[in-house]
Amino acid sequence: EPEVTQTPSHQVTQMGQEVILRCVPISNHLYFYWYRQILGQKVEFLVSFYNNEISEKSEIFDDQFSVERPDGSNFTLKIRSTKLEDSAMYFCASKQGRETEAFFGQGTRLTVV
Amino acid sequence: AQSVTQPDIHITVSEGASLELRCNYSYGATPYLFWYVQSPGQGLQLLLKYFSGDTLVQGIKGFEAEFKRSQSSFNLRKPSVHWSDAAEYFCAVGPITGGGNKLTFGTGTQLKVEL
Repeated sequence: EPEVTQTPSHQVTQMGQEVILRCVPISNHLYFYWYRQILGQKVEFLVSFYNNEISEKSEIFDDQFSVERPDGSNFTLKIRSTKLEDSAMYFCASKQGRETEAFFGQGTRLTVV
Repeated sequence: AQSVTQPDIHITVSEGASLELRCNYSYGATPYLFWYVQSPGQGLQLLLKYFSGDTLVQGIKGFEAEFKRSQSSFNLRKPSVHWSDAAEYFCAVGPITGGGNKLTFGTGTQLKVEL
C-alpha cells in the first residue's frame, strides 16, 4: 500500500541551526502539507502546497520556514534558524484531490537544544 | 474560524465494552469530517471520513461515526473495544472549498483499554 515516508524519524539540533525535514508523498498525489504537534498539544496546520506554490499557510509559518518540492517527488520543510519552541513532531501529509482524504507520514520528531 | 472540540481528554473502557468518543465542530458550513488514530510513536492513520451522503459512516477496525448536522457533531463509536484500540484519537474538519483544504484538529482523546 502506498504511504507517505518521512526522514529522519528523529532529529536533534542546536538552537540557531538550520534543519531540513524530508518527505516523499504518495506518487500520484497533488496536494502536500506540513503539520506539527508540540508534545501534549493538538496537531496544527503549518502550510499547504499545490501546483508548485504555497496555497495556504498559518501564522506559525513565518519567514523562518520554507517549503520546496525540488524534484517532483520530495517535499521538504526547512527551518532556517531553529528555536527551542520549534521542538515538536512534524507530520507531512498528501492527498490526491480536493475531495479526498489526507494521508500522513510517521512524523519527524525534532528536538532543539 | 473553524474549531473542533473533543471534550474528553482521557477515556478508559474495559475490553469488550462499547465506546463513544465525542467530537463537536464549529464551522460556517458543513465541512468534511475525519477521525484519525495515533498509536504511540506512530503517525496519523485515517479511521473514517464523511464527505456527503449517508450520515452513518463505516471505517476500518470496526469503527463507525455518525454525522449530526443539528448538533454539529461527529461522534466515533465502536460496539466492542479491543486492547489494541488503545491509542489517541483525533477528530478533524476540513473545508469543502477554498484555500489549501487544511485540516483543523481537535485536542485528541486518549483511550485506555483495561483487560
